[in-house]
Amino acid sequence: EAQVTQNPRYLITVTGKKLTVTCSQNMNHEYMSWYRQDPGLGLRQIYYSMNVEVTDKGDVPEGYKVSRKEKRNFPLILESPSPNQTSLYFCASSLSGFASYEQYFGPGTRLTVT
Amino acid sequence: AQSVTQLGSHVSVSEGALVLLRCNYSSSVPPYLFWYVQYPNQGLQLLLKYTSAATLVKGINGFEAEFKKSETSFHLTKPSAHMSDAAEYFCAVSDQGSGGGADGLTFGKGTHLIIQP
Repeated sequence: EAQVTQNPRYLITVTGKKLTVTCSQNMNHEYMSWYRQDPGLGLRQIYYSMNVEVTDKGDVPEGYKVSRKEKRNFPLILESPSPNQTSLYFCASSLSGFASYEQYFGPGTRLTVT
Repeated sequence: AQSVTQLGSHVSVSEGALVLLRCNYSSSVPPYLFWYVQYPNQGLQLLLKYTSAATLVKGINGFEAEFKKSETSFHLTKPSAHMSDAAEYFCAVSDQGSGGGADGLTFGKGTHLIIQP
């Protein structure tokens, strides 16, 4: 089944404790992206990757890191999480970064930072 | 820069009634437009998209949307609401020719659709 998977689905952590949220897609998509969803704000892009070893900042990149060493994986790293990073996170992928292509979303990771 | 405005954070309709979710966009170039749906505890999935072909776009689950350039709108409609339509709906815009990223897909804040029995 074609899908985007994220792990973990739920995570509660404490301020300053480094964490990684994994994202993997099995559709051979070139483009991958991370979003955060907050009530009343919709989805905001954190980082995106046009292809392997190519990443760039989205609208809200502060406090996050990403890497794209393999085409299928695009982990999101929080080196020192803070409470304002408590949010629902979505990974997405599409065949290409060209604007007309549909993005496929993972099921989401709910992160709570205390 | 592109932006999306969704009128109404919550819309309530009776089962069987018309569903109308409003979306207005701004874009400096001809846009691509999307509607995504998010069911509870799930990721987003594409309902339909406009990519400069027909202005009336039909999507899944009986939804459709009409691109109106003069009104910079892309409202989502469904003739008869079902209980299963209860979800969060997001309108999104992307500039033609963009490579994604910060100038790629921009989402509205979402509209929560409530279906009254």
